[in-house]
Amino acid sequence: DAKTTQPPSMDCAEGRAANLPCNHSTISGNEYVYWYRQIHSQGPQYIIHGLKNNETNEMASLIITEDRKSSTLILPHATLRDTAVYYCTAYKLSFGAGTTVTVRA
Amino acid sequence: GAGVSQSPSNKVTEKGKDVELRCDPISGHTALYWYRQSLGQGLEFLIYFQGNSAPDKSGLPSDRFSAERTGGSVSTLTIQRTQQEDSAVYLCASREGGVNTGELFFGEGSRLTVL
Repeated sequence: DAKTTQPPSMDCAEGRAANLPCNHSTISGNEYVYWYRQIHSQGPQYIIHGLKNNETNEMASLIITEDRKSSTLILPHATLRDTAVYYCTAYKLSFGAGTTVTVRA
Repeated sequence: GAGVSQSPSNKVTEKGKDVELRCDPISGHTALYWYRQSLGQGLEFLIYFQGNSAPDKSGLPSDRFSAERTGGSVSTLTIQRTQQEDSAVYLCASREGGVNTGELFFGEGSRLTVL
C-alpha cells in the first residue's frame, strides 16, 4: 500500500528552525500532502497542506519537491510548545507513526 | 457544537462485551473518518464516509468492527465481542468535502479499555 515515511524522532533547539522530512514516493498526481501534529493526549491538529507549490501559513512552511516524491515541513522558530508528534499524510489520509519532535531550551 | 464531539470520552468494558462509540461531526461536513490509536502508536485508518457514497471500510481490522452514519451526520462505531487488543483511543474526524478539500477536524477521542 502506498504510504508516507518519516524519521521516528528529531530534536530541535528552541528558537531554531525545525525541518521535518517526509517521503511519499508513490503519491498520485491529484493527492495533496497534509501535515498534522498531535500534542500528548489531544486530537491531531491541522498544520498545512499543499499539492505542487510551496505553501506558508502562520504556523509553518511546506516545501514540496518538483517530482512530489517528498516534502519538508519547516517550523521557522521552534518553541517548547511545538513539542509534539508530527504526521505527514497523503493516501486516503492514512497516518503513519509520525516524527516525535522534542524542542529543547 | 463548534467542533467534532465524541462520546463516551472513556469506556471500560469486559472482554466479550459489545461497545458503541459515537461521533458528532461538524455540522455540514460531508466526510467523516474513524481512526484507532494504540498506546504509543500512530493513527490507524479504520473507515471513511463521504456523503451518500458507499463507505470505504478497507481499514476495519476484523468483522467484529462496523460503523454506520445515519442521515449523513452522526456516526457510530461498534465493536462486537471486544478483545483486549481492541484497547485504544478511537478518534473521529470530519471535513467539509472530499479528500482534497481541506483539513480534517478531529475530536478528542474515545479511550476504550478492555479488561
